[in-house]
Amino acid sequence: GQQLNQSPQSMFIQEGEDVSMNCTSSSIFNTWLWYKQDPGEGPVLLIALYKAGELTSNGRLTAQFGITRKDSFLNISASIPSDVGIYFCAGQLDNYGQNFVFGPGTRLSVLP
Amino acid sequence: GAGVSQTPSNKVTEKGKYVELRCDPISGHTALYWYRQSLGQGPEFLIYFQGTGAADDSGLPNDRFFAVRPEGSVSTLKIQRTERGDSAVYLCASSSGYTDTQYFGPGTRLTVL
Repeated sequence: GQQLNQSPQSMFIQEGEDVSMNCTSSSIFNTWLWYKQDPGEGPVLLIALYKAGELTSNGRLTAQFGITRKDSFLNISASIPSDVGIYFCAGQLDNYGQNFVFGPGTRLSVLP
Repeated sequence: GAGVSQTPSNKVTEKGKYVELRCDPISGHTALYWYRQSLGQGPEFLIYFQGTGAADDSGLPNDRFFAVRPEGSVSTLKIQRTERGDSAVYLCASSSGYTDTQYFGPGTRLTVL
C-alpha cells in the first residue's frame, strides 16, 4: 500500500530548542495533516495543509505543504515539556477517496 | 461528553473469540472512521461511514472484520474468530462532514491471547 516516511524516528531536545521534522512519500497527496498523540489518547490535529506550497502556522507550530506534493515539514519553535509526544503526518491521496494514510510517527522527548 | 468516546477502553480475549468494539461519535457528526494502530505505527485506515452507510471499507483486512452504524450515530466494529495479529489499539474518529477535521477517540486496546 501507500507509505509515508517520517524522519527523524525519534529525537531528544533541550527545552527551548526549535524542532524540525518531515514527512515524505513517493506518491502525490492533495492534503497533508499533522497530528500529535499523547500516551493513551487518540491523535489530535495540529495543522492541515490543502495546497502545494502552503505555509501555515498554529502558535509555535509551522508546517508546509511541499511544492512537489510529496512532502511536508513541521517545525516547533521554543519547545516546552508539553510538546513531548508522537507526531504523525497523514496524507490524503489524490483521487483516493476519504481515507488518510498515516506515517509511522516521530517521537519527541524534551529534556528540561 | 463532548468528545468521541470508545468502549471498552481495554479488551482481552482469547484466540478464536468474537469481539465488539463501540464508538460514540460527537453528536451531529455525520462521518465516522475506524482505524487500527499497532505498536510503534501510525493509525491504519479501516472503514469510513457517511451516515448509516459504509462509504469506503477498503481498509478492512479480511472478512472477519465488519462494522455497522445502523442509526447513523453509534458504530460497532465486529471482529470474528480473533487472531493474535489482531491485537492493536482500535481508534474511532468522527467529523462533521466530508472534508472536515477528524476528532479521534481514546481508542480501545485489544489484546488477543
